[in-house]
Amino acid sequence: ETGVTQTPRHLVMGMTNKKSLKCEQHLGHNAMYWYKQSAKKPLELMFVYSLEERVENNSVPSRFSPECPNSSHLFLHLHTLQPEDSALYLCASSQDLASGADTQYFGPGTRLTVL
Amino acid sequence: GQNIDQPTEMTATEGAIVQINCTYQTSGFNGLFWYQQHAGEAPTFLSYNVLDGLEEKGRFSSFLSRSKGYSYLLLKELQMKDSASYLCAVRDSNYQLIWGAGTKLIIKP
Repeated sequence: ETGVTQTPRHLVMGMTNKKSLKCEQHLGHNAMYWYKQSAKKPLELMFVYSLEERVENNSVPSRFSPECPNSSHLFLHLHTLQPEDSALYLCASSQDLASGADTQYFGPGTRLTVL
Repeated sequence: GQNIDQPTEMTATEGAIVQINCTYQTSGFNGLFWYQQHAGEAPTFLSYNVLDGLEEKGRFSSFLSRSKGYSYLLLKELQMKDSASYLCAVRDSNYQLIWGAGTKLIIKP
């Protein structure tokens, strides 16, 4: 247990569906992240929030929409996804963004399959 | 561009020692991290290096040479539970983490 939880753990959706991924951290951290992990590829940073403000958006398609209602919760809203979006989606949190030693703690991920 | 290189896969024997290398080319350097990720699970933090030299933590050690853009993770007295992927990541001048693709370590009895 890392103190970061994600639901659901597995999700299968069609290209016309709308679904949301949820992340919650119980560590009192100020920063939260969404990553995409595809097989044999580096982790791809999608979004970064610090104190509920979005500070990073790495050219992610608009079919992915993040939401951070408070410092403990992070959502990723999905709509009209493509089969190539199938991957493991990881949420992480850390104490602060601007510290070199700032360590990220990851949730177990949501395995997403788009049909 | 920014790049982290590490071997795709390595195999080692239970009880032995294995060294996983990581080379990096990034815009600036604010530390290097190693994470362990078991199949289907979250990556978990192993070590952090920001100064040159060796950091030892039980059976695991991590080494950094900033002038060479090089790090390694050393695992001693290998156990079957060490079978996992090992991820190298470097924090660049913008404090963003740049990740390698990971090294899958297979431990054989």
